[in-house]
Amino acid sequence: QITLKESGPTLVKPTQTLTLTCTFSGFSITTSGVGVGWIRQPPGKALEWLALIYWDDDKRYSPSLKSRLTITKDTPKDQVVLTMTNMDPVDTATYYCAHRVVVAGTNVWWFDPWGQGTLVTVSS
Amino acid sequence: DIQMTQSPSSLSASVGDRVTITCRASQSISSYLNWYQQKPGKAPKVLIYGASSLQSGVPSRFSGSGSGTDFTLTISGLQPEDSATYYCQQSYGTPYTFGQGTKLEIK
Repeated sequence: QITLKESGPTLVKPTQTLTLTCTFSGFSITTSGVGVGWIRQPPGKALEWLALIYWDDDKRYSPSLKSRLTITKDTPKDQVVLTMTNMDPVDTATYYCAHRVVVAGTNVWWFDPWGQGTLVTVSS
Repeated sequence: DIQMTQSPSSLSASVGDRVTITCRASQSISSYLNWYQQKPGKAPKVLIYGASSLQSGVPSRFSGSGSGTDFTLTISGLQPEDSATYYCQQSYGTPYTFGQGTKLEIK
């Protein structure tokens, strides 16, 4: 059974750097095709994809946030870490990490499962 | 960026109804389209991947179709537990954009 859980601060001040950790179990991030992504959702709004790290350490970022985001993996700890710099109140959202599933031999993939999410509020 | 536009933004239907939600991509994404269901306070859950493949464990009343730029999610025989917000997501290219969501209410 694959599970993921996000952890990090619930409150950050404007201009601070946010560090979120996704701790997972039930899969190895070194397995070919595997990835872990981060997605956020402001209160009452739609989902927004942020970043994705692959088994081979390839990384993809949302172009609109690329300058502020860094995604890394800690294989021995089964963790993926997302940092976002220069936080602003508009970054207030629930942040999810999710496991990337891919159909072997194809580029068909989706996120499943997702963590429970963690609400981060940006306020002074 | 590939824009994903869902319609309608919200709808209300009765138990047993057949409901269709549409998702349109701003450029062709082949069949790289996923559908998720999100209930209040919960994480999204995948229903359909690759435009038309039903995720294991998802009731067969859910189905997906389409390719290129136009996709649909159909729920045949609506159940009370289907009350949720539904999102499409393209997995064709970065950024892996989501639609704005369709809120489904059961009358």
